[in-house]
Amino acid sequence: AQSVTQLDSHVSVSEGTPVLLRCNYSSSYSPSLFWYVQHPNKGLQLLLKYTSAATLVKGINGFEAEFKKSETSFHLTKPSAHMSDAAEYFCVVSSISSGSARQLTFGSGTQLTVLP
Amino acid sequence: EAGVAQSPRYKIIEKRQSVAFWCNPISGHATLYWYQQILGQGPKLLIQFQNNGVVDDSQLPKDRFSAERLKGVDSTLKIQPAKLEDSAVYLCASSSEGTKYNEQFFGPGTRLTVL
Repeated sequence: AQSVTQLDSHVSVSEGTPVLLRCNYSSSYSPSLFWYVQHPNKGLQLLLKYTSAATLVKGINGFEAEFKKSETSFHLTKPSAHMSDAAEYFCVVSSISSGSARQLTFGSGTQLTVLP
Repeated sequence: EAGVAQSPRYKIIEKRQSVAFWCNPISGHATLYWYQQILGQGPKLLIQFQNNGVVDDSQLPKDRFSAERLKGVDSTLKIQPAKLEDSAVYLCASSSEGTKYNEQFFGPGTRLTVL
C-alpha cells in the first residue's frame, strides 16, 4: 500500500518570503509523486510531477520539489510567495491499478495563507 | 481544449433523498474517475472506469452509491438514499492512455450538502 503524509495542515507566510510545504511518502517501489493545488471553488490543478527522471522537479508558477529517496520526502518550495499562491496544496502518490491506468492517493492537504 | 465538465455545481438535499451528479470528461480520455472530498481531507477515489468498464470500485459504498458510464464517454454518480455523512465535494477526473505517467485532469466538482 502507498500513502503520503503532509506534515503541516496550515502554513502561513508573508508575501515575498519563501514557502516550504512538507510531504513524506510511503511506497513499496519507486513511486510517481505529484503536487496539486486547489483554489477555492476551482478544480485541482497539477503543479508538478516526479517520474524517476531528475530529482529536482520544476513546476508552474515558480514552484519546485525535490525527491529525496533516503528521506522518503517530496517537499514543495517556492523562493518568494505571492498573494495568488494562497490555496490548498495536496501531495499525491501514484500507483498502477490496471494495465496502464493509474490511481492517485492524496495527502490530507496543506492550507497555505499568504499575509500582505 | 475543453476541460472536464460537471453539473450541478451545488446541491442541497435532505437525508434519505436521492441525488445524481453528471460528468463529461475531456474528449478522447478513456479513463474516468469519481472522487469524494470531505471538508478538510484529500480526495478519496470512489470508482474508476476504463472506457465503459469498471476498473476499481473497492471504495464505493455500494449499498447507496452507484455509477455508470454506459457509452464510455460521460458518467453519472448516484446516491440513494443520502446520509448526512455524504456531505462532500464530488470530483470527476479523466486521463488518457497516451503517456506512461498520464496526468489526471479534474473538473470543478459538485458540492453536496445533506441536511
